[in-house]
Amino acid sequence: DTGVSQNPRHKITKRGQNVTFRCDPISEHNRLYWYRQTLGQGPEFLTYFQNEAQLEKSRLLSDRFSAERPKGSFSTLEIQRTEQGDSAMYLCASSLGQLQETQYFGPGTRLLVL
Amino acid sequence: GQNIDQPTEMTATEGAIVQINCTYQTSGFNGLFWYQQHAGEAPTFLSYNVLDGLEEKGRFSSFLSRSKGYSYLLLKELQMKDSASYLCAVLDTGRRALTFGSGTRLQVQP
Repeated sequence: DTGVSQNPRHKITKRGQNVTFRCDPISEHNRLYWYRQTLGQGPEFLTYFQNEAQLEKSRLLSDRFSAERPKGSFSTLEIQRTEQGDSAMYLCASSLGQLQETQYFGPGTRLLVL
Repeated sequence: GQNIDQPTEMTATEGAIVQINCTYQTSGFNGLFWYQQHAGEAPTFLSYNVLDGLEEKGRFSSFLSRSKGYSYLLLKELQMKDSASYLCAVLDTGRRALTFGSGTRLQVQP
C-alpha cells in the first residue's frame, strides 16, 4: 500500500453514460497525476496537477474527459458519454515535488464500458 | 517526443540473475525510473537514476548511461514472486509526467 487510494476499484457502465473516479494522494504530496493503462501497455499520461492547478494535459484527454483537484487534495476524473474505447485501468499517482520526483501509484480503477 | 524500448518478454530460472534492458530517445532527460507491476495491480516504484552509474538496492540494481540512452534493471537471486512486468519510464526535462515503455513481462520458472 503506497498511501494513494482510488475509488471505485471497478466500474462497469454502458456506453454513453458518465463516470467519475476519485483519487486521494499521499497527504503531503502536492503533485497528482492521472494515467491510463490498457492491456499489455505501459501507463499513458493524461493530466497533472500542482496543488489545485492543472498544469498539463495530454492530447489523449479529449473534451469528454475532465479532471479537477479543487482544494489541492483529492482529485476527480470524469468521463462523459463513455465509449468502448475508454475501457482501461485508470491510475492515479502522486509525488512530493520540490525535486522529489518519484511518483507513487494508487491501485487503479478498472473501467469496463459495455 | 520520446521513444522507449524494452523487450516484451523474458524467462529466467529461480535463483538466477536476469538483466532487463531499456533504451530511450528523448528531447530532454530528467531521470529514469523502474517500476514493477504484478498482473491487475498498480506499478510499484523500484529505482530512480538521474546520474550515470549503478544504484543497488537489495536484490535489485539499476544502471544508467545517459550518453548511450541506456538503462538496465538487474534482478539477483530470482524468486517466483518476481514474476511480473517491469516498466522503464523516463522523466523529460521541463515536464513532470513519466513516459513509460510497454513493459517487460518476466516469467520466473522453478
